[in-house]
Amino acid sequence: RKEVEQDPGPFNVPEGATVAFNCTYSNSASQSFFWYRQDCRKEPKLLMSVYSSGNEDGRFTAQLNRASQYISLLIRDSKLSDSATYLCVVSRNTNAGKSTFGDGTTLTVKP
Amino acid sequence: GAGVSQSPSNKVTEKGKDVELRCDPISGHTALYWYRQSLGQGLEFLIYFQGNSAPDKSGLPSDRFSAERTGGSVSTLTIQRTQQEDSAVYLCASSIGGAGNEQFFGPGTRLTVL
Repeated sequence: RKEVEQDPGPFNVPEGATVAFNCTYSNSASQSFFWYRQDCRKEPKLLMSVYSSGNEDGRFTAQLNRASQYISLLIRDSKLSDSATYLCVVSRNTNAGKSTFGDGTTLTVKP
Repeated sequence: GAGVSQSPSNKVTEKGKDVELRCDPISGHTALYWYRQSLGQGLEFLIYFQGNSAPDKSGLPSDRFSAERTGGSVSTLTIQRTQQEDSAVYLCASSIGGAGNEQFFGPGTRLTVL
């Protein structure tokens, strides 16, 4: 079993739709969680951190469920520009050590 | 300010040759990571440097792969006797600290082994 697992998709949604991705992690001791975005043939960039209390940034909402060991990303009112691959990232520590990236979920928003 | 830079951006080599890939992290970032990404795949962790600590080499796929970080700044990833399966994009990232901090990625080096 992979340490971080994501549904690869692809998710194809119309503009304006709401879409949600989940990511599960196997190590219950994991401490830090992130969502990164990677556009085609570009490097990944941080989209948002995921906090225990959940956090929201505009149309994006991230949540953490420690009991079930998953994190989620909700995108409301999808835009064409949201088309990308979304990478879930999990780390065991808060300030040291490596991070584990999921294989990503591909989203395509269509007009 | 300047971001993470990598060179070369593209490298085509013949099977069996050695290659060196370079990463210049953001100034002041103590942590540096190397990843590999094959076409359509996720990021595969290779190696992690943190300050003066011994690097975490647990992701290096074979002893043909090695990396060093000189003076806590520039890093070089070396692949000896390249094989066709080494073809991928090699990404470098740096962060202020280790895990738990935002990683800033360079544009990557696309390696093609013929």
